[in-house]
Amino acid sequence: GENVEQHPSTLSVQEGDSAVIKCTYSDSASNYFPWYKQELGKRPQLIIDIRSNVGEKKDQRIAVTLNKTAKHFSLHITETQPEDSAVYFCATTSGTYKYIFGTGTRLKVLA
Amino acid sequence: EAQVTQNPRYLITVTGKKLTVTCSQNMNHEYMSWYRQDPGLGLRQIYYSMNVEVTDKGDVPEGYKVSRKEKRNFPLILESPSPNQTSLYFCASSLLGFGAVNNEQFFGPGTRLTVL
Repeated sequence: GENVEQHPSTLSVQEGDSAVIKCTYSDSASNYFPWYKQELGKRPQLIIDIRSNVGEKKDQRIAVTLNKTAKHFSLHITETQPEDSAVYFCATTSGTYKYIFGTGTRLKVLA
Repeated sequence: EAQVTQNPRYLITVTGKKLTVTCSQNMNHEYMSWYRQDPGLGLRQIYYSMNVEVTDKGDVPEGYKVSRKEKRNFPLILESPSPNQTSLYFCASSLLGFGAVNNEQFFGPGTRLTVL
């Protein structure tokens, strides 16, 4: 079936450094790519998303890039802060309304 | 306050005892969905609903049932729970399916289910 591979599973960075998380998908018809952040014990929350007709989108310190040819998309967090520590999930669409999530990346920002 | 609510938040039950987890949203969202979250497996979609009386299977529908009789409610039913359904369950809703302009899914607080 369709799937999304997410790497790395854990990532530790020094405060102020950048973090990059990458996802690769299999369904060439996928056209929507959201990223969710889940803090410990909390529910997932959307932080940024991108559609297939756009190659890059930025929102302050967060950006997402999409390479449809290679079927991968990445989350970039610059100037990381301790409050960025969380689990991040990528997701995409499969079929019309079905979501496929990656397995998550635990990001630790070291002070 | 705009929100997605789930009940119960915690549940311990025994194998074979039917249970229902309720989900309700007050945002007039058309799209609703159920996920289970397991360590190392991320979020996996169980069922989703595009509107009242319209539901479809996600990636892991076996052992679950849903219904969408009203726009605001989307209960998850486990008719004969088994230990492998022990998990953290999230309900989510969005204004429209992801073909639309605004696709943000709002998640409920989660229900931690243990099946003994």
